[in-house]
Amino acid sequence: NAGVMQNPRHLVRRRGQEARLRCSPMKGHSHVYWYRQLPEEGLKFMVYLQKENIIDESGMPKERFSAEFPKEGPSILRIQQVVRGDSAAYFCASSPFLGDTEAFFGQGTRLTVV
Amino acid sequence: DAKTTQPNSMESNEEEPVHLPCNHSTISGTDYIHWYRQLPSQGPEYVIHGLTSNVNNRMASLAIAEDRKSSTLILHRATLRDAAVYYCILRKNTNAGKSTFGDGTTLTVKP
Repeated sequence: NAGVMQNPRHLVRRRGQEARLRCSPMKGHSHVYWYRQLPEEGLKFMVYLQKENIIDESGMPKERFSAEFPKEGPSILRIQQVVRGDSAAYFCASSPFLGDTEAFFGQGTRLTVV
Repeated sequence: DAKTTQPNSMESNEEEPVHLPCNHSTISGTDYIHWYRQLPSQGPEYVIHGLTSNVNNRMASLAIAEDRKSSTLILHRATLRDAAVYYCILRKNTNAGKSTFGDGTTLTVKP
């Protein structure tokens, strides 16, 4: 059973470009969470999705950031018009259901904006 | 969200036990105590979690104070591969993945 798969592992974008980060949850998991980790800081929750629904986006910046988890395919975190401050590691986690269970994290995508 | 407080860093010798403390004085009755660790350049890895009773698994033990205002993660025999940042997190069982990660404790294991 493959773990949470994120790609790409490393992504370099110029200021103003778009960044698309992909996350395939573990098999059988329908809950996906995105986190951002700035250099030398802890992880900050961004958004929680179930298939085709955004459940909690309280941690998402109001502009330029969006997330989706379509019926088929991976979850996508999209950052439009990237700025240097978007440079960070972005982690995705998945869980099989709500309740007393752990979330499994991917290896992350390290975004560098030049 | 209830907050947790952990020491910034701790050191241990290889093969010795390690006790990583966490204070969570504002914990509510529905908060589970979760521990994750993050190795360099990796995503967080689940270690253990509990509600009221002490818990053991193949990785570690979790000792929870009777008033639940603090807990301790116990690594019984530290190895070099245990060097990581350890996060103590409070989470409600209604939201498995939404967690507030603090700064964690950076554990250094000396050979």
